[in-house]
Amino acid sequence: AQSVSQHNHHVILSEAASLELGCNYSYGGTVNLFWYVQYPGQHLQLLLKYFSGDPLVKGIKGFEAEFIKSKFSFNLRKPSVQWSDTAEYFCAVNNNAGNMLTFGGGTRLMVKP
Amino acid sequence: GAVVSQHPSWVICKSGTSVKIECRSLDFQATTMFWYRQFPKQSLMLMATSNEGSKATYEQGVEKDKFLINHASLTLSTLTVTSAHPEDSSFYICSAREETGTQYFGPGTRLTVL
Repeated sequence: AQSVSQHNHHVILSEAASLELGCNYSYGGTVNLFWYVQYPGQHLQLLLKYFSGDPLVKGIKGFEAEFIKSKFSFNLRKPSVQWSDTAEYFCAVNNNAGNMLTFGGGTRLMVKP
Repeated sequence: GAVVSQHPSWVICKSGTSVKIECRSLDFQATTMFWYRQFPKQSLMLMATSNEGSKATYEQGVEKDKFLINHASLTLSTLTVTSAHPEDSSFYICSAREETGTQYFGPGTRLTVL
């Protein structure tokens, strides 16, 4: 069975600080990887996804993530966060064979103005 | 991007009532939809996979007679919580899988059972 772990449950940053949220998965086969964001009072939105090709994926709002196959990781980064990035971030993995999306526990990011 | 809607967004009902929640993919067809439950301060928990034209697949520990799922068309799946009790109060979220494999999520339905 596949599993996803996000190391940081809560992160507090000041505006303009750099962000990196960790995500590791366990699955032996080919995977598709996703980061979703949930802003306060809103539903889950897709930030970015990796299926194949360039392991450095750029998403919306200045976010990017790097797939490192040898480390089973797909960390999310943003060079300079804004107050509006305050949200909960979920990493998710979907193996190619099935439909099921497995979520990490989420990381709650608070950006102080 | 693809849009998924849910209706209603919030429902309050008496214990013993059955409640139906609709999930629609608005601008794409979804042969597969998913129903999740989210508890406060926790991640999403997959309840069941809904396949168009066939029976839903339930995750371990989810009562299929309690949570009835019908995926009647390529754009609509419904979740019916039968004889709801206070412990069923939760946030129910659906997602629809489009052809690339990406899941898009609905805004969720808050169920409060008194």
